[in-house]
Amino acid sequence: DAGVTQSPTHLIKTRGQQVTLRCSPKSGHDTVSWYQQALGQGPQFIFQYYEEEERQRGNFPDRFSGHQFPNYSSELNVNALLLGDSALYLCASSLQREELFYNEQFFGPGTRLTVL
Amino acid sequence: DQQVKQNSPSLSVQEGRISILNCDYTNSMFDYFLWYKKYPAEGPTFLISISSIKDKNEDGRFTVFLNKSAKHLSLHIVPSQPGDSAVYFCAASSSGGSNYKLTFGKGTLLTVNP
Repeated sequence: DAGVTQSPTHLIKTRGQQVTLRCSPKSGHDTVSWYQQALGQGPQFIFQYYEEEERQRGNFPDRFSGHQFPNYSSELNVNALLLGDSALYLCASSLQREELFYNEQFFGPGTRLTVL
Repeated sequence: DQQVKQNSPSLSVQEGRISILNCDYTNSMFDYFLWYKKYPAEGPTFLISISSIKDKNEDGRFTVFLNKSAKHLSLHIVPSQPGDSAVYFCAASSSGGSNYKLTFGKGTLLTVNP
């Protein structure tokens, strides 16, 4: 059973460029969340996708956008890259089950983005 | 503003002894708390959780204690093993419309020395 996978593993971009990161959720999961982990910080919630729609969003500018496909995989797009966007980007997947108080999130290994 | 705080960036303990990792939160809406462990080059992995209706949850060597009045939780690892060396993140969630978002602390690097 494959866990959460992310691609690419590492990425180097320059300021002003655009980047797309990809995530495949754990088998059977239908919900994908994205987090940004800057150096020395904990992961920060960017947004979550369910049924191909953005369901909730954290405190990130509109330069950060996403998409979820019918197969539940997801992309994170960042436009007009800034030096401060350098971070580890984590994808987490879960299965939406309303009867549960909390739906456990499983994390991928992340994509390390460096902006020069 | 940091709603989840882990004030100890690092902790070093001897193998076999107890490790105690602490976490404080400020948001009264949080009602579910989790601990994640993270090794280098890997994503965080779920360790243990506790609902706000409980004050203790135990799973093998790991126990989480919650003090709601103090808005404080702690993770106890007994006995500590070298393989426990990792960064530990405290995270919190609130029910209702916000229950999908996890708010993390900055993490504590635990080193267990043989």
